[in-house]
Amino acid sequence: EAQVTQNPRYLITVTGKKLTVTCSQNMNHEYMSWYRQDPGLGLRQIYYSMNVEVTDKGDVPEGYKVSRKEKRNFPLILESPSPNQTSLYFCASSFGGPLNTEAFFGQGTRLTVV
Amino acid sequence: KQEVTQIPAALSVPEGENLVLNCSFTDSAIYNLQWFRQDPGKGLTSLLLIQSSQREQTSGRLNASLDKSSGRSTLYIAASQPGDSATYLCAVKGYGGSQGNLIFGKGTKLSVKP
Repeated sequence: EAQVTQNPRYLITVTGKKLTVTCSQNMNHEYMSWYRQDPGLGLRQIYYSMNVEVTDKGDVPEGYKVSRKEKRNFPLILESPSPNQTSLYFCASSFGGPLNTEAFFGQGTRLTVV
Repeated sequence: KQEVTQIPAALSVPEGENLVLNCSFTDSAIYNLQWFRQDPGKGLTSLLLIQSSQREQTSGRLNASLDKSSGRSTLYIAASQPGDSATYLCAVKGYGGSQGNLIFGKGTKLSVKP
């Protein structure tokens, strides 16, 4: 089954404690990205990757890091989480470029930073 | 910069009604437009993908149209059911450096009353 898998689904952590949210896709997609969703602000892109070892900032990259060492995986790293990073996070994947194929989303990770 | 707007922000209808959700975007240079459904606390489920060269797409009781020149899309839901209650999001995939980036509207929260 084609899917994007995020882990964990729920996470409560304390300010400053480094954490990683994993994302994996099984569709051989080149393009992967991370979004955060906040009430009243909608979905905003954090980082994206157009292929292995190619990453770039989205609209709200501050406080986040990513890596793309393998095509299927795209972890999101919070080196020093702060309460303003409390949010619902989504990983997405698709074929890149002009190909008109749909984007697939993970089930989301609800992060609370206290 | 591409902006996507969805009107109305919330909609409540009795079961059985036909309804239309609206999505507008400011830059017509898009590859495609995608409609998603999001249930509370859950991930995004893709409903329909319309390529920039298409005028409409249908899936079951759903019909999505696209008028790229005017920057508008509609999602028509026929014979609504309580199970259709969810937030509906539209997103456009545009040209440019981040060729897989989806720009989202803030969604329409639909409630279908039995």
